[in-house]
Amino acid sequence: DAGVTQSPTHLIKTRGQQVTLRCSPKSGHDTVSWYQQALGQGPQFIFQYYEEEERQRGNFPDRFSGHQFPNYSSELNVNALLLGDSALYLCASSLLVGTEAYEQYFGPGTRLTVT
Amino acid sequence: AQRVTQPEKLLSVFKGAPVELKCNYSYSGSPELFWYVQYSRQRLQLLLRHISRESIKGFTADLNKGETSFHLKKPFAQEEDSAMYYCALSEYNQGGKLIFGQGTELSVKP
Repeated sequence: DAGVTQSPTHLIKTRGQQVTLRCSPKSGHDTVSWYQQALGQGPQFIFQYYEEEERQRGNFPDRFSGHQFPNYSSELNVNALLLGDSALYLCASSLLVGTEAYEQYFGPGTRLTVT
Repeated sequence: AQRVTQPEKLLSVFKGAPVELKCNYSYSGSPELFWYVQYSRQRLQLLLRHISRESIKGFTADLNKGETSFHLKKPFAQEEDSAMYYCALSEYNQGGKLIFGQGTELSVKP
């Protein structure tokens, strides 16, 4: 099991463009969370998907949207990119049983640079 | 407001010395506390969580609800402990979002 995988590894976009980042969860996991990590900061929660629906959302604008597919993989979309969106985007997967929290496993991240 | 504070950006110790990485939190509900670690060129991974009360790689952390702290300790630091350490919390038993601190870089010198 490769664990959580993310693509692409790096991405350079121009202000105003749109971007899609992808995540495949660890085998057996059904929940995907996305985090934004700016340079020198801790990860900030964007949202979490479970059963193809957004389960929780952090304090991010509507420009940030996501999707979860039947195979549990997920996409993060960011519209109208701003310079401040430059960051490392982390995906984490876990198994949700009722409301019991199981360990979140993180992917290597996608480094987004907005110029 | 929900917040995790790690007051030290960098902590430098010599091999064999005790180490304590500080973490304070502000949370109105019933939190679950974690320590995550990121070694050089590796992904973020869970080190320990307060409910398991385990000692991982010689590290321990005790939740002090009175002082709202969850400091990470190790009696004798090793060079391989050098890494970024993040304290995080989530609402207990909700499987939900993690709130991270800014991280502390631990450097263990030979």
